Amino acid sequence: NAGVTQTPKFQVLKTGQSMTLQCAQDMNHNSMYWYRQDPGMGLRLIYYSASEGTTDKGEVPNGYNVSRLNKREFSLRLESAAPSQTSVYFCASIPSLGQAEAFFGQGTRLTVV
Amino acid sequence: KQEVTQIPAALSVPEGENLVLNCSFTDSAIYNLQWFRQDPGKGLTSLLLIQSSQREQTSGRLNASLDKSSGRSTLYIAASQPGDSATYLCAVASGNTGKLIFGQGTTLQVKP
Repeated sequence: NAGVTQTPKFQVLKTGQSMTLQCAQDMNHNSMYWYRQDPGMGLRLIYYSASEGTTDKGEVPNGYNVSRLNKREFSLRLESAAPSQTSVYFCASIPSLGQAEAFFGQGTRLTVV
Repeated sequence: KQEVTQIPAALSVPEGENLVLNCSFTDSAIYNLQWFRQDPGKGLTSLLLIQSSQREQTSGRLNASLDKSSGRSTLYIAASQPGDSATYLCAVASGNTGKLIFGQGTTLQVKP
């Protein structure tokens, strides 16, 4: 039972490069989230998906796009990476919005140089 | 807009001490409140979930309370151990979409 799996675990990008962070959950959850965590800032919501086929902006969506590929997978794309996007990114899932506990992946540590 | 605040930002206690971590939120219309633990370089692990209709939840040496009317929650850790050293985060699910909003966390160090 893997829970929430994120790939890659570490990544270094040059400014202007693009990449996609992958997230998959095997718990048949409806809702999935992408957060970034910066020192002293806590976790800030980037985008979320209440159910398959829907996505919505969170607190800090600028510079990111998402795709809810199917019920299992929710990807986060950086089209043109900037040093300000250096952060640790976490994916999470819950059965439905506002319902039950959230499960988190182990995170992707991204550095943009 | 929901805002979540945790005080203190850091706490250092000797082993065996009972301690309380605080979480406050600005909008009392919440679905639930969760406490998480995060070890350095790791993801978040859910510790306790309190639904909006509940007043408290207990798991082992942990007890979390919720007072929606005052916008406050506390996490009580009894007989602290060095293995409890970690960052503790609270998050509330609120708004018409119920998304999770996090506080900034309290970093706890328990000294042997």
